[in-house]
Amino acid sequence: SHELTQPPSVSVSPGQTARITCSGDALPKHYAYWYQHKPGQAPVLIIYKDSERPSGIPERFSGSTSGTTVTLTISGVQAEDEADYHCQLADSRSVVFGGGTKLTVL
Amino acid sequence: QVQLQESGPGVVEPSETLSLSCTVSGGSISGDYWNWIRQPPGKGMEWIGFIYYTGSTNYNASLKSRVTISVDRSRDQFSLKLTSVTAADTAMYFCARGTGASSGVYYYYMDVWGKGTTVTVSS
Repeated sequence: SHELTQPPSVSVSPGQTARITCSGDALPKHYAYWYQHKPGQAPVLIIYKDSERPSGIPERFSGSTSGTTVTLTISGVQAEDEADYHCQLADSRSVVFGGGTKLTVL
Repeated sequence: QVQLQESGPGVVEPSETLSLSCTVSGGSISGDYWNWIRQPPGKGMEWIGFIYYTGSTNYNASLKSRVTISVDRSRDQFSLKLTSVTAADTAMYFCARGTGASSGVYYYYMDVWGKGTTVTVSS
């Protein structure tokens, strides 16, 4: 089965750029997706098909891909962006998540 | 807009069956995929499986022998049963709507989630 690896934590000051990576051998062959999850709230899809942004998601959230690594970039981080971020891929048999990254806004 | 709400017991005894339901409101359960995902304390999310509104299912291979997902279209609900639970099944359980296609480049993701419900396996 596929595996996705994320850093456990990323810290950034307000206004700076946060980059959260997700690595896995299957990523060149499958789309990646990103979810934001705040405590007590429903997870929210913020990036789909590697780099597409659903309606209502701020433009400061962007996704990119390079080889076996996909990256979620948050430009001009705001305090409200503090959350857990999860990457995900899927093939015809299964859905796999990364271990999640806690973004701390200092 | 579609909203999802999980419901079920917060505590299940070891070796018993965990049963949860997810109610779909603001829309119909027809025409989409419906998922269960869980997140054990301090760990990442784990996909449990999905059911298409017609009743066809796809389960995580690691849980397949213990999992059943069913749908009740008349009540816009779908349910999860996980048998023979142990402490390792203690987690936050989420239901979510899935969107995908298998023609062309395959894609599948969850675009609407519930807030989750905590289930603890303990005697």
